[in-house]
Amino acid sequence: QKEVEQDPGPLSVPEGAIVSLNCTYSNSAFQYFMWYRQYSRKGPELLMYTYSSGNKEDGRFTAQVDKSSKYISLFIRDSQPSDSATYLCAMSDSGGGADGLTFGKGTHLIIQP
Amino acid sequence: DSGVTQTPKHLITATGQRVTLRCSPRSGDLSVYWYQQSLDQGLQFLIHYYNGEERAKGNILERFSAQQFPDLHSELNLSSLELGDSALYFCASSEGTAQETQYFGPGTRLLVL
Repeated sequence: QKEVEQDPGPLSVPEGAIVSLNCTYSNSAFQYFMWYRQYSRKGPELLMYTYSSGNKEDGRFTAQVDKSSKYISLFIRDSQPSDSATYLCAMSDSGGGADGLTFGKGTHLIIQP
Repeated sequence: DSGVTQTPKHLITATGQRVTLRCSPRSGDLSVYWYQQSLDQGLQFLIHYYNGEERAKGNILERFSAQQFPDLHSELNLSSLELGDSALYFCASSEGTAQETQYFGPGTRLLVL
């Protein structure tokens, strides 16, 4: 069993829809949770950074962490074609990921105009 | 633009050869991380350097080595290359080692023929 599981998709939704992306993990030591967006042939770009359980909102993006269920989510409201990318969840048991971040394999998201 | 630079962008080489990938972190960042991204394994942490010293190792092969120089740039050396080493190699940087986010460079695409 992989430490972090993420549905690879592709996930295709119409423009304006609410998108839900999810990851599950097995290591209960993870305390720091991140979502990165990666466009084709580019480096990952940090979208959201969350510590422990709870919600965090930034514009159209909301990150949720449920440590009791070992489940994290990213919601995108009013999705735009420019949101089409691969979304990677990442997590760490130390604040800066000194031991490296553990990534899901990514979900490929397509927003249809 | 994350402020992290990597050279070269693309590298094509043959099995058995040795290559060096270079990374310059964001101004002021002391930590450099190396990751490998392949289709089957996703993004995998290789190694972390902080201010010239190795801090953590991940799934790095013995054929691979890295170092961080006094000017804080880092090099990842890959030797005795195999077909399976073909991947995207990313460098990320952060200010320190705790509670900072990692910013990724654009990556080096390595193709081993």
